[in-house]
Amino acid sequence: SQKIEQNSEALNIQEGKTATLTCNYTNYSPAYLQWYRQDPGRGPVFLLLIRENEKEKRKERLKVTFDTTLKQSLFHITASQPADSATYLCALPRGGSQGNLIFGKGTKLSVKP
Amino acid sequence: EPEVTQTPSHQVTQMGQEVILRCVPISNHLYFYWYRQILGQKVEFLVSFYNNEISEKSEIFDDQFSVERPDGSNFTLKIRSTKLEDSAMYFCASSMTAGNQPQHFGDGTRLSIL
Repeated sequence: SQKIEQNSEALNIQEGKTATLTCNYTNYSPAYLQWYRQDPGRGPVFLLLIRENEKEKRKERLKVTFDTTLKQSLFHITASQPADSATYLCALPRGGSQGNLIFGKGTKLSVKP
Repeated sequence: EPEVTQTPSHQVTQMGQEVILRCVPISNHLYFYWYRQILGQKVEFLVSFYNNEISEKSEIFDDQFSVERPDGSNFTLKIRSTKLEDSAMYFCASSMTAGNQPQHFGDGTRLSIL
């Protein structure tokens, strides 16, 4: 069955540094991949979507890469700020579905001033 | 910016009781979803809804669950006879179309079964 692994449960970095989060998947080939941010007690908030034919996508300080050979996506936040502290979720479409998502467990990012 | 709203924010119910969770999706969206998140675990897909019918459901969405769009704005999730293991955050989401589109989530209803 499809599996998503976000291999760091938690990541602590210093303000101003670049945070890099990893999402690996197995057992299928998704047409796209999404990244969401979740704050405690809140719903996920969409950040970026990258399609299988795109190698990289950027939005302000965020960058996502998608390597379909390695079955991996990397999510980068440059010049990180304490306000970036949150849990970041990787999500992929359920195989054969029309948009229904399966989520990774997330990586909790803490940016220290 | 339009948003998905969910009510109530917290629901406490006795085991075996019925509960209805309510959602108002973004008005021009056509696809609606329910997900749940048990404390400390990942967000899990329950069901998707399009054109007034269920388009897909997961293994979690068994006969005790049902969804409805009773009017042009609300989207509800009913749990007929709640169990302790139904305690979780329930998130409603909507999207303009299916497929490679962002989903917009509400802030959830925390369901506590006693």
